[in-house]
Amino acid sequence: EDQVTQSPEALRLQEGESSSLNCSYTVSGLRGLFWYRQDPGKGPEFLFTLYSAGEEKEKERLKATLTKKESFLHITAPKPEDSATYLCAVLLPFSGGYNKLIFGAGTRLAVHP
Amino acid sequence: DAGVTQSPTHLIKTRGQQVTLRCSPKSGHDTVSWYQQALGQGPQFIFQYYEEEERQRGNFPDRFSGHQFPNYSSELNVNALLLGDSALYLCASSFTGDGYTFGSGTRLTVV
Repeated sequence: EDQVTQSPEALRLQEGESSSLNCSYTVSGLRGLFWYRQDPGKGPEFLFTLYSAGEEKEKERLKATLTKKESFLHITAPKPEDSATYLCAVLLPFSGGYNKLIFGAGTRLAVHP
Repeated sequence: DAGVTQSPTHLIKTRGQQVTLRCSPKSGHDTVSWYQQALGQGPQFIFQYYEEEERQRGNFPDRFSGHQFPNYSSELNVNALLLGDSALYLCASSFTGDGYTFGSGTRLTVV
């Protein structure tokens, strides 16, 4: 069965304290890996898409990397406004040549001043 | 450019009732997927619609049904509501299956 696991479940950082979030997956036929940010009571906001092992994407203080079994979201010198839940999702094929997006449970990040 | 629009934003229903949630996809998107997100959990795939047909569904009972209209908008219907159906319901639109854009969701509370 396709599985996406995110760790840690929750992370508390001091402002400026860099860290990494992990997303490991056991799936068949990965077509892409997505990172989303979600604020409380809101829908997920797209951050990055990664398609192949070795690929990296950066946006402000965030950098996403992908290997064959996992992805990391690195947060450099975080600020309180980076506090949110970060969701990892994998794009998988299903019958008919279509795709579906399957999510992990997320990492709740709290950055304190 | 309007993103994905969901309505209503909040809803309170009684056990046993039926509910309809609505979604207008992002301009240019033709595929709509629905997700259920319980508090503290990741979104769970309910089903996906393309060309007015359900392509595939996740592990949800037949009480969950949907529809897609010719203008690509979509509805999610849930019958015989249970307390466990309380969740944030998310709609995501896409084109050719990648680049999913999510709406802000509908918060359903069943009492």
